[in-house]
Amino acid sequence: SQELEQSPQSLIVQEGKNLTINCTSSKTLYGLYWYKQKYGEGLIFLMMLQKGGEEKSHEKITAKLDEKKQQSSLHITASQPSHAGIYLCGALPSNSGGSNYKLTFGKGTLLTVNP
Amino acid sequence: NAGVTQTPKFQVLKTGQSMTLQCAQDMNHEYMSWYRQDPGMGLRLIHYSVGAGITDQGEVPNGYNVSRSTTEDFPLRLLSAAPSQTSVYFCATQPNLPGQTNYGYTFGSGTRLTVV
Repeated sequence: SQELEQSPQSLIVQEGKNLTINCTSSKTLYGLYWYKQKYGEGLIFLMMLQKGGEEKSHEKITAKLDEKKQQSSLHITASQPSHAGIYLCGALPSNSGGSNYKLTFGKGTLLTVNP
Repeated sequence: NAGVTQTPKFQVLKTGQSMTLQCAQDMNHEYMSWYRQDPGMGLRLIHYSVGAGITDQGEVPNGYNVSRSTTEDFPLRLLSAAPSQTSVYFCATQPNLPGQTNYGYTFGSGTRLTVV
């Protein structure tokens, strides 16, 4: 089965600092999704990457998928308290058949941003 | 526009009791699914549906039943609750567009279930 490893498990940064969260797959991916979860709430979709080397941005958050399509990084520039929460990656394996009915999620990275 | 509504938000059950977690959406999404979220385990797929009358199992289906009689509703039934089913349950939906994977799921706000 698809395994996703996220690092770090938790991260504390000072407001204004940049940070990076990683998501690594044991297998080649068809697609990689990034979500954000605030405590006690559901997940919010940020972006999806599908092509090797692809990079997308959503406000001050940038995500990139490596050429081998096994690793993705999420980079936040000039972090703000509003960025705090749990970031999860979700993956489609390469044999998904073009449907995203069965996403596998990583365990998440807890981000704290201190003012 | 409510989006995805999950009820109840909190529930305590005794071992062996049954209950139904409700998920309703008003976005006309054909795909609906149930995930559970546990500390150290992340999100795991329980069951999913790609349309009324169609359901399939996910990674951890044992102990749970689902049915999909309408597009709007996808209830999750626990027939005989066990402490191992203590978890936070999320319902997720999206338009069913085969071959198009660049849509993200819309999640409900979750049901926190404790089985004692």
